[in-house]
Amino acid sequence: DSGVTQTPKHLITATGQRVTLRCSPRSGDLSVYWYQQSLDQGLQFLIQYYNGEERAKGNILERFSAQQFPDLHSELNLSSLELGDSALYFCASSVEGQGTNYGYTFGSGTRLTVV
Amino acid sequence: GQQLNQSPQSMFIQEGEDVSMNCTSSSIFNTWLWYKQDPGEGPVLLIALYKAGELTSNGRLTAQFGITRKDSFLNISASIPSDVGIYFCAGRSNSGYALNFGKGTSLLVTP
Repeated sequence: DSGVTQTPKHLITATGQRVTLRCSPRSGDLSVYWYQQSLDQGLQFLIQYYNGEERAKGNILERFSAQQFPDLHSELNLSSLELGDSALYFCASSVEGQGTNYGYTFGSGTRLTVV
Repeated sequence: GQQLNQSPQSMFIQEGEDVSMNCTSSSIFNTWLWYKQDPGEGPVLLIALYKAGELTSNGRLTAQFGITRKDSFLNISASIPSDVGIYFCAGRSNSGYALNFGKGTSLLVTP
């Protein structure tokens, strides 16, 4: 157990729908990062939050949004889902805001299947 | 983000063999990290490197931060079946917040 909790583990939904993925960071970590992993693209950085504020944005689609709450858990919202959004979505956490030289701790991921 | 080129894409080796994989970047990085991902799990940090030329070991794993700061390699000695998985390099530049990941090296080890 890495200490980073992601729910749900699996999600199957239809095209056009909206889903919310949840992440609880490791105790004491202030930063949360969201990554998308697909077979052909590897791990793609989506967005980072630090202590409730958006810190950095990567290749995140406009249909996707995220937030970090006062208790530091984070949610990734995916809307108007398309078949191509099927992927593993990982959350990672770290102590510092500008990432940490010690790397991130990853959760076990949410596997999203859009049908 | 910056492009990371990781090679080889996959390796199929016999137990006991040594393994080498590497990663190159189009930009200078100030941190290089190596992760391993098992099926159904998130990546787990293996080794972190912070200085150009640094050579760091973790058991049978050895990684180096290239002196140009644009590359890194990971060696696994005397491989065992539990080394099976996908190995990712990751790097961060001075101006970046997030880690950029390579596309991974898939390692298969036969007994």
